[in-house]
Amino acid sequence: EAQVTQNPRYLITVTGKKLTVTCSQNMNHEYMSWYRQDPGLGLRQIYYSMNVEVTDKGDVPEGYKVSRKEKRNFPLILESPSPNQTSLYFCASTGIQGYNEQFFGPGTRLTVL
Amino acid sequence: RKEVEQDPGPFNVPEGATVAFNCTYSNSASQSFFWYRQDCRKEPKLLMSVYSSGNEDGRFTAQLNRASQYISLLIRDSKLSDSATYLCVVNMALTGFQKLVFGTGTRLLVSP
Repeated sequence: EAQVTQNPRYLITVTGKKLTVTCSQNMNHEYMSWYRQDPGLGLRQIYYSMNVEVTDKGDVPEGYKVSRKEKRNFPLILESPSPNQTSLYFCASTGIQGYNEQFFGPGTRLTVL
Repeated sequence: RKEVEQDPGPFNVPEGATVAFNCTYSNSASQSFFWYRQDCRKEPKLLMSVYSSGNEDGRFTAQLNRASQYISLLIRDSKLSDSATYLCVVNMALTGFQKLVFGTGTRLLVSP
């Protein structure tokens, strides 16, 4: 089954404790991205990657890091989480050939205390 | 002004009703447009792309008006299962592959 998976799905943590949210897709997509969704603000792009070892900032990259060492994986790293990073996070992937539908993972609900 | 604007709703309609949502976008050079559906606390899923000539998929019709910079979604014969938030999405990439800008969504509630 074609899918994007994220882990963990729910996480409660404390300020300053480094965490990583994993994202993996099995569709051989080149393009992957991370979004956060907050009430009244919609989905905002954090980082994106056009392919292995190619990453770039989205609209709200501060406080986040990413890496793309393999085509299928695109982890999101919060080196020192803060309460303003409490949000719902989605990973997404798209193939760059043909139809450009974005496939989203199920989301990770993060609470930083 | 937001890059993509939608009426947040909620739109409360009875089963069988016809309902329409509009969405305006700021970048006149935008090339591609989409409607995504998002159920509560779940991931967005593509409902349909919006083509210049307008397009229909079953009970759903999407229209694009470039002159006025808006897109619309019409749902006919509403079903209870249509209750969801509908996200207007615009690809505003001028160079490169894709820069999707999402509206905040319009919430639809269909009641028996």
